[in-house]
Amino acid sequence: KAGVTQTPRYLIKTRGQQVTLSCSPISGHRSVSWYQQTPGQGLQFLFEYFSETQRNKGNFPGRFSGRQFSNSRSEMNVSTLELGDSALYLCASSLTGTGGGSYGYTFGSGTRLTVV
Amino acid sequence: QKEVEQDPGPLSVPEGAIVSLNCTYSNSAFQYFMWYRQYSRKGPELLMYTYSSGNKEDGRFTAQVDKSSKYISLFIRDSQPSDSATYLCAMSVRSGGGADGLTFGKGTHLIIQP
Repeated sequence: KAGVTQTPRYLIKTRGQQVTLSCSPISGHRSVSWYQQTPGQGLQFLFEYFSETQRNKGNFPGRFSGRQFSNSRSEMNVSTLELGDSALYLCASSLTGTGGGSYGYTFGSGTRLTVV
Repeated sequence: QKEVEQDPGPLSVPEGAIVSLNCTYSNSAFQYFMWYRQYSRKGPELLMYTYSSGNKEDGRFTAQVDKSSKYISLFIRDSQPSDSATYLCAMSVRSGGGADGLTFGKGTHLIIQP
């Protein structure tokens, strides 16, 4: 059974640019959540998508956005990159996510974004 | 004060020892508690999932929740070098996380010395 696939694994971008990260959840999982992981703040919730709709959003600026496609694949976009956006971005999938009945999430290996 | 506090370590113990990892939290509404293990350059992997107070055992791992003290623990018996990783606690108000997703501790870096 394939796990959660995130692409690319590594990215280097310049301040002011934008970036798009991709996540393919486990087959059958309809919920995709995105988290940012930094040494200073740990894992922080960005947003969750379920059936192509954003269901919940964390406390991040509007530069962070996402979407989900009909096959449950999700993309995350960060515009006008800042140095502080350097982090590991993790995607997590589950059957129902925050809708209840989920018992933990399966995480991908993440995309390491470095902003220079 | 962060909602979830976790000692970052590193915690270094000899192979075969019993390891105790802990988190404290401030939000009394948390009811679902998880432990994740994260190896270097990998995403977190779910180890244990518990609801409310009590103990749960799975092989060499035991998760303990004390809601009255707002304190959760993960015990690892007969620790192995392959257990060396960062251990993250996570919790939520409802199953699957609430409107704020899962709330994580920053993780404890565990080193098992052969």
